[in-house]
Amino acid sequence: KNEVEQSPQNLTAQEGEFITINCSYSVGISALHWLQQHPGGGIVSLFMLSSGKKKHGRLIATINIQEKHSSLHITASHPRDSAVYICAVNVYNTDKLIFGTGTRLQVFP
Amino acid sequence: DAGITQSPRHKVTETGTPVTLRCHQTENHRYMYWYRQDPGHGLRLIHYSYGVKDTDKGEVSDGYSVSRSKTEDFLLTLESATSSQTSVYFCAISAPRTSGVGDTQYFGPGTRLTVL
Repeated sequence: KNEVEQSPQNLTAQEGEFITINCSYSVGISALHWLQQHPGGGIVSLFMLSSGKKKHGRLIATINIQEKHSSLHITASHPRDSAVYICAVNVYNTDKLIFGTGTRLQVFP
Repeated sequence: DAGITQSPRHKVTETGTPVTLRCHQTENHRYMYWYRQDPGHGLRLIHYSYGVKDTDKGEVSDGYSVSRSKTEDFLLTLESATSSQTSVYFCAISAPRTSGVGDTQYFGPGTRLTVL
């Protein structure tokens, strides 16, 4: 079993829909990251959080440390949001990240 | 965008040949990482460096070596490439850690390596 699990693996949506991507982890962490990888391959950091909630534009990330779970929400989705979204965790007291396998999102007009 | 470049961006090579990938940063960040990305797997850490000449192994280090002689450059070498090392390789950097707190990693554009 992977230490970081994402669901769903694939997601399709119509433009304007509310999107939720989930991440569960089984190790102690100091922080959790959400990353975005566009079809061209580049990887961009969206959020780093260790508690609560963060918001940036139409993106919202939440984390529940007790339940070892995080969600990434996209409000009013747009075709340009189509990408792979990756969850990663900083294992506590190490310098390393463990990555989920990603959620492929396609938003159609 | 963080100043990270990787070279080459694409390479095709034959089994048994040595290959060196270069990661160059202009951010003066202390930590540098090499990952590989394969279908069905998350990004997996090959090696990382926490300073000049200071490196350590990741979870998939077999068949790879690294060197860091300058802050800005982190080299990944496949001494004798195998087909199982066909992958997309990403370099990443992060700033010095605050104790107990994670750091944002900034990724390079990736190198697509094909070993025939």
